[in-house]
Amino acid sequence: KAGVTQTPRYLIKTRGQQVTLSCSPISGHRSVSWYQQTPGQGLQFLFEYFSETQRNKGNFPGRFSGRQFSNSRSEMNVSTLELGDSALYLCASSLDRGTGAFFGQGTRLTVV
Amino acid sequence: AQSVTQLDSHVSVSEGTPVLLRCNYSSSYSPSLFWYVQHPNKGLQLLLKYTSAATLVKGINGFEAEFKKSETSFHLTKPSAHMSDAAEYFCVVSPDGGFKTIFGAGTRLFVKA
Repeated sequence: KAGVTQTPRYLIKTRGQQVTLSCSPISGHRSVSWYQQTPGQGLQFLFEYFSETQRNKGNFPGRFSGRQFSNSRSEMNVSTLELGDSALYLCASSLDRGTGAFFGQGTRLTVV
Repeated sequence: AQSVTQLDSHVSVSEGTPVLLRCNYSSSYSPSLFWYVQHPNKGLQLLLKYTSAATLVKGINGFEAEFKKSETSFHLTKPSAHMSDAAEYFCVVSPDGGFKTIFGAGTRLFVKA
């Protein structure tokens, strides 16, 4: 079956702009989590959605937000982009906690 | 509080020799533990997981890990390294009870011919 699909794969934005990233989970998976990966900070948890509800949130400013739709697809939005937001954003889907997550290829965001 | 520590940032082995990537965890709850691998410019791939069943867990590509509660460790091993194993490996703790998943800092594995 199809894996986790993230779009777009690459994105270049200017400081101050906003961006929306999309994630389509594996069919049947209701949990979607988002992570930011940077060379300096490693992998950091952004938030987790389950059945359209945000279940957990990491320590990121309010400029980072997300949502999940009834078909489990998820989007994350970053407003007022800063240079430090440049990172690989990874989405992961799972059936539920403790079952292991399957990751997408990520969206590489560059803020200039 | 939950935490995970990967004891080596880099490990270098020769092809055909054993691999050992070390991970210690701390969790107030009975944790779910995972190992993921990330090849350059790729997403993360699940290697194996421990969820309170057998303490010796077998994963894909010949990897396995042993959960040792007394040592709070979950080390990843492979009997014989292959060039294609060169990648970054992440130990992950996802404690039961609804807390956020925590990734280790990663261990980069180099495999020499």
